[in-house]
Amino acid sequence: EAQVTQNPRYLITVTGKKLTVTCSQNMNHEYMSWYRQDPGLGLRQIYYSMNVEVTDKGDVPEGYKVSRKEKRNFPLILESPSPNQTSLYFCASSPPGGQTYNEQFFGPGTRLTVL
Amino acid sequence: GQSLEQPSEVTAVEGAIVQINCTYQTSGFYGLSWYQQHDGGAPTFLSYNALDGLEETGRFSSFLSRSDSYGYLLLQELQMKDSASYFCALRDSWGKLQFGAGTQVVVTP
Repeated sequence: EAQVTQNPRYLITVTGKKLTVTCSQNMNHEYMSWYRQDPGLGLRQIYYSMNVEVTDKGDVPEGYKVSRKEKRNFPLILESPSPNQTSLYFCASSPPGGQTYNEQFFGPGTRLTVL
Repeated sequence: GQSLEQPSEVTAVEGAIVQINCTYQTSGFYGLSWYQQHDGGAPTFLSYNALDGLEETGRFSSFLSRSDSYGYLLLQELQMKDSASYFCALRDSWGKLQFGAGTQVVVTP
């Protein structure tokens, strides 16, 4: 089944404790992206990657890191989480080129709480 | 940069037609996309307009006018299952994507 998976789905942590949220897709998509969703603010892009070893900042990259060492995986790293990073996080991927480039497939989401 | 504005909520009865507008300010983009998100779920892709005009996909249609910096999503023959949030999104030439804040559609019997 074609899908984007994220782990963990739920996480409660404390301020300053490094964490990684994994994202993997099995559709051979080149484009991958991370978003956070907060009430009233919609989806805001954190980082995106056009291909392996190519990453760029979205609108809200502060406090986050990403890496793209292989096509299928795009982990999101919070080196020192803070309470303002409490949010619902989505990973997404899309195929290259044309109209399909704009059709993003989203993972199920990761609900993160930082105490 | 780019910013997108859409109404926060729209309420309509079953069987009605709803239009969700999306206005934007941008220096350039590839196309306007629309996504649906039910409570507790992930966004799912609905429609994409690369060129001006109307795109129809079943009960849903999407429209884009680049000269007016405006687009809309049209939901016809509303059903209870259409109660959800709807987001417009723009992608720039570098791959960066921006979403509107979302419109919650409430369908009543």
